[in-house]
Amino acid sequence: DTGVSQDPRHKITKRGQNVTFRCDPISEHNRLYWYRQTLGQGPEFLTYFQNEAQLEKSRLLSDRFSAERPKGSFSTLEIQRTEQGDSAMYLCASSLVTPGETQYFGPGTRLLVL
Amino acid sequence: GQQVMQIPQYQHVQEGEDFTTYCNSSTTLSNIQWYKQRPGGHPGFLIQLVKSGEVKKQKRLTFQFGEAKKNSSLHITATQTTDVGTYFCAGHLLPQGGSEKLVFGKGMKLTVNP
Repeated sequence: DTGVSQDPRHKITKRGQNVTFRCDPISEHNRLYWYRQTLGQGPEFLTYFQNEAQLEKSRLLSDRFSAERPKGSFSTLEIQRTEQGDSAMYLCASSLVTPGETQYFGPGTRLLVL
Repeated sequence: GQQVMQIPQYQHVQEGEDFTTYCNSSTTLSNIQWYKQRPGGHPGFLIQLVKSGEVKKQKRLTFQFGEAKKNSSLHITATQTTDVGTYFCAGHLLPQGGSEKLVFGKGMKLTVNP
């Protein structure tokens, strides 16, 4: 399977704990995006990378959230001191570098904070 | 802020019926993309429209991009139970500081009565 993959698919954690999610993009895609989706809503943009550079961050990305893409391939999204409001589906997408290029989504990581 | 709105939010049709759903942006878009998300799944890319007034067809689905590049529509003919899911439109804003984020609508949830 050469699509976008995410790990884990599901995560249950207690409030205050830290969690980390991983995304592996389609191999030839230089751009990698993180989105958050809550029930009944469309995906909301969090941040994106071009290769290893983080080029844009949403104001939704509080200081408890950090994303990295150290080698320009896979990316991690870490949430520190989780809150119940962080419960959501975290989606990763990747695309080629051409402006406006189609983004292909991974299966997502569903986070539940108790 | 920039918004993409979809109407209606819910659509229930009888199998075999036709219907249209609409997507409106508060700002001009460089392109618009449509995604379909099945229950429990992740957004799957359907189509991208780039040119003003562009119309594209995919079997029973017809997509249109408005002349002003601020709205789009999806028309489904002869609805089938396999069409069930949530349809999202997502817009790339006209380049502003190089932003590449997609702005998603809240989605149109389609249910079909067999």
